[in-house]
This record gives sequence, C-alpha cells and structure tokens, in this order.
Amino acid sequence: DGGITQSPKYLFRKEGQNVTLSCEQNLNHDAMYWYRQDPGQGLRLIYYSQIVNDFQKGDIAEGYSVSREKKESFPLTVTSAQKNPTAFYLCASSKAPGDRTEAFFGQGTRLTVV
Amino acid sequence: DAKTTQPPSMDCAEGRAANLPCNHSTISGNEYVYWYRQIHSQGPQYIIHGLKNNETNEMASLIITEDRKSSTLILPHATLRDTAVYYCIVRVGSDRGSTLGRLYFGRGTQLTVWP
Repeated sequence: DGGITQSPKYLFRKEGQNVTLSCEQNLNHDAMYWYRQDPGQGLRLIYYSQIVNDFQKGDIAEGYSVSREKKESFPLTVTSAQKNPTAFYLCASSKAPGDRTEAFFGQGTRLTVV
Repeated sequence: DAKTTQPPSMDCAEGRAANLPCNHSTISGNEYVYWYRQIHSQGPQYIIHGLKNNETNEMASLIITEDRKSSTLILPHATLRDTAVYYCIVRVGSDRGSTLGRLYFGRGTQLTVWP
C-alpha cells in the first residue's frame, strides 16, 4: 500500500541535542512538507520541498533544517537552536506543488525535549 | 494569502447532518478550498476540496458561495467516529513561486458528535 511514513511515533531527547525525524513516502510525490502542531493550535509550516535537491523555508524555519536528496525522503532535523522543540511534527506530500489533488499526511512524531 | 475563520467548536447529534461553516473572505481566484479533519494525535485526513462549484464525495459535501467568500462542509449523517477537529484550508493552486501548493491551517472547528 502506498503511503507516507513517519518514524518514530514518540521521541525523547535531552535539551541541547540535535534530533532527526524521518519522513518517507512511496507515492511518487514531488512535493513534501513539514508542519509543527502545538496543543490546541493549527499546523504551522516549517519547511517544504517542491522537487529533489530543493527546499524553501516556511513560516517557522528557525532552529530547523531539512534535506531532500531523494524523492522519497524528507528528513527534518530539530537543532539545539530551536528554543521550544517539544511539539507534534507532521510530514505531508502531494503529487506536485500546484496539483489539485489532496495532500497526504503521515501519522506524526511527538517530540519531547527534557 | 487567504486565511480562514471557523467557529472553535460545534456539536451534533448522531445521525443528523453536521454543517461546518468557514469564512475565507480574502480568497483569491487561484486558491482552492480544502477540508481536512484530525482525530486526536493522528495526521490530518483529507475530506474534500473545491474551487467554485459544489462538490460531493462519499464522505461529505462542500458548498461554496457564489462569491467564494465562504463555504460549508456538510456531513450528511454524522456518526460518533466523525468527532474530530475540522480544518478549512486554502491552497494555492497555480504558479505563485515559493507559495505554490502551501496549505494554510487555522485552529479548526472541534466537532463533537453525541449519541
């Protein structure tokens, strides 16, 4: 079955450590996105990629980094520069940036920094 | 960029129609209206989308006003499993450079379906 997979589902890290969240899709989608969700809030865009080897900052990119070396993969690194990293992180993909069809979301990674 | 306004919460009796409103008064001509829902601690699930015509699928109906400034998502026979946060989103659907394809989420509407 095609889909988008995020791992791990739960992640605990000590303050000051970098951590990388995985996002893999086998839908042959060109566009991929990373969102952050805080309790009781909507989703805020961190980074997005329209094509391999290219990505753009979203609304809250500070303290995060991404790479897009393969079409299937769009990992997100939460760096020690991110002031408040504890949150629910969601990855999404769509056929193409301007495609009219829907975007698919993964099941999310809940990151807790202690 | 268009933003959306939704009531923070609504409730509905099981078996009745749930009508969820959304205001998007600043929507531009190339922006689509999408609806997603999110059950607690899961990824958002696509429901339906449209540009200016009304749309219907197996999950719901989408009614968009003629001026496109607002829309309504209709779940015709709500069940307990429809309890979720519903997001009305606008999405750029044509080439506008770096904003292409972005989904703009608000806080959504918490729909509670009661027995």
